[in-house]
Parts: sequence; structure tokens; C-alpha cells
Amino acid sequence: AQTVTQSQPEMSVQEAETVTLSCTYDTSENNYYLFWYKQPPSRQMILVIRQEAYKQQNATENRFSVNFQKAAKSFSLKISDSQLGDTAMYFCAFILMNRDDKIIFGKGTRLHILP
Amino acid sequence: DAGITQSPRHKVTETGTPVTLRCHQTENHRYMYWYRQDPGHGLRLIHYSYGVKDTDKGEVSDGYSVSRSKTEDFLLTLESATSSQTSVYFCASRGLSETGELFFGEGSRLTVL
Repeated sequence: AQTVTQSQPEMSVQEAETVTLSCTYDTSENNYYLFWYKQPPSRQMILVIRQEAYKQQNATENRFSVNFQKAAKSFSLKISDSQLGDTAMYFCAFILMNRDDKIIFGKGTRLHILP
Repeated sequence: DAGITQSPRHKVTETGTPVTLRCHQTENHRYMYWYRQDPGHGLRLIHYSYGVKDTDKGEVSDGYSVSRSKTEDFLLTLESATSSQTSVYFCASRGLSETGELFFGEGSRLTVL
């Protein structure tokens, strides 16, 4: 069975700093996607970034980037120039493509951006 | 944004009563999911559907049943609610695109007294 582990339950950083959230996963498959979702206090789930396992290049979306290490099964999220609006719960998620329809989430990391 | 709505958004009920949560999507997505979110547990999959009348269990399916008679609707039923089912429930859907992205509803907060 696939698992997703987020080892940092909670983090705090100062505004404008860079922060990295960790995620590891376990699978024996090769064709999958990884995601980071953000859940602000409004409770809405927002897709932050997506990475296809077959792509070696790390995904980037503005201030958000990932460090995808397939061999190590690691998928960390880096937030540069952090802003107060980045305060949220962040979830790492995993889905196998073309075989299993389940999307598995980690337990989340609560990120506080301090003014 | 994908059109996916949940109802009711808030509900308070008593132990032993049946409860049904409804998820409605207007995107013609094939896959639909029910998750529950609890502090310290993240999002845990209850049941999911990969087509009309095609459903399967997730990791925390005990005490829950689902039905999908139409593409757009996915119902989650608690046959006899217990206090341990107090939670925030999220519905999500995704289409057949290769991105795999999930689109979420706003969540339904259920309190079982």
C-alpha cells in the first residue's frame, strides 16, 4: 500500500524567509503524480503545485518549487519570500496513474508565517 | 474552478441517527471521493467512486456507506452516527485528464452529540 509521510506537524518562519516542508512517500510503482495542497483558515483546499514522476525537472509555480528526489522517494516544497497569506495547513498527496484511483494524503504541516 | 458543492455545510445530530451528506459536481468528472479531516490525521479516504454505481472502500470506511446513481452526485451515509464520526467531511472529484488534480468541495462539519 502507498503511504505519504509529513514529518513536520508544525513550523513557523518570519515573513520574507524561505521555508521547506518535507514529504516522503512509499511506492513500488513508477507512474504516479505528487501534489502539494494548501488549506488556509477558510478550510478551502487549493492546489499549490504538481509533479509528474516521469519528469526529472522539478516543478515551479512562482514562489513555490519542489525538490523531487525519485530514488529517495522525497518530495519537499520550498516557499521563497514567504508571505502572511502563506499561513495554512499544507498537505502532500500521491496518486498512482492508470491503475489505482485512490489519492493518499499525508497528515499535513501547519505553517505559520510570522510578521 | 470546478463546480463542486456539498450539503449540508453544517450539521449537528445525535448518536444513533442516520445522516446523509451530499456532494454534487457539474464538471462531469468520473472520479469522486469522500474524505474526513481530523486534527493529527490529515485527510483520510472513506470511500471513492470511479463511475456510476462503481464504488470502493478507502482506509476508514467502517460505519459509512456511499451511493452514486448519477455522475454528478455522490452521497455519503452514516447509518447510525457515533461521536467518533464528528469531523469535517470533504468531497472531491477529478476527471480523466492526465494531471490527476483533485477539486474539492467546501467541506461539511458534522457534530454528533
